[in-house]
Amino acid sequence: SQQGEEDPQALSIQEGENATMNCSYKTSINNLQWYRQNSGRGLVHLILIRSNEREKHSGRLRVTLDTSKKSSSLLITASRAADTASYFCATSAGGTSYGKLTFGQGTILTVHP
Amino acid sequence: EAGVAQSPRYKIIEKRQSVAFWCNPISGHATLYWYQQILGQGPKLLIQFQNNGVVDDSQLPKDRFSAERLKGVDSTLKIQPAKLEDSAVYLCASSLSHRETDTQYFGPGTRLTVL
Repeated sequence: SQQGEEDPQALSIQEGENATMNCSYKTSINNLQWYRQNSGRGLVHLILIRSNEREKHSGRLRVTLDTSKKSSSLLITASRAADTASYFCATSAGGTSYGKLTFGQGTILTVHP
Repeated sequence: EAGVAQSPRYKIIEKRQSVAFWCNPISGHATLYWYQQILGQGPKLLIQFQNNGVVDDSQLPKDRFSAERLKGVDSTLKIQPAKLEDSAVYLCASSLSHRETDTQYFGPGTRLTVL
């Protein structure tokens, strides 16, 4: 079953604008990751945030994590047409999960030039 | 560094036929994963190998799906017999180990259509 639910399901913006995607999950996690998937391709890892972290940055990406609300957000600043893709959050629960990732449904981002 | 290789990229079969997918992980990666991604959904883990041993196959429909990773390197995933609901993209991924912080690297996937 899917652990995370992304919101919105689809997002359409103009180049240069910021894009914010949200992810909610149900059970306790050890870390949360965000992946990008371009049309017809495999997934690419973007960023990982641990459960004891609240915010993390990588280039134009900013991820926040609120474990009390079981939610995370991914912000892409100054978006580009090349950012057009599906974005997925994925959680790992620790313990005996051996690195198993549970993915959400994804947000489809379209950036218009 | 070469990425995760998968073949074939596309496959169309009739229901009740058999099909096999192949994956070659990144050299030196001990952990290999097979995911199923149905259109409009996120990937779902089917099976995870650590070297040539199975770590997690809790979501693998074992009555029709099988997978092996002989010699702890490349892997095959088989479906026999296929059903209409097996139409999906099958993604292979690998990581250095099964530590949660190890990045999983994904292949391009095999798109399966069952008619």
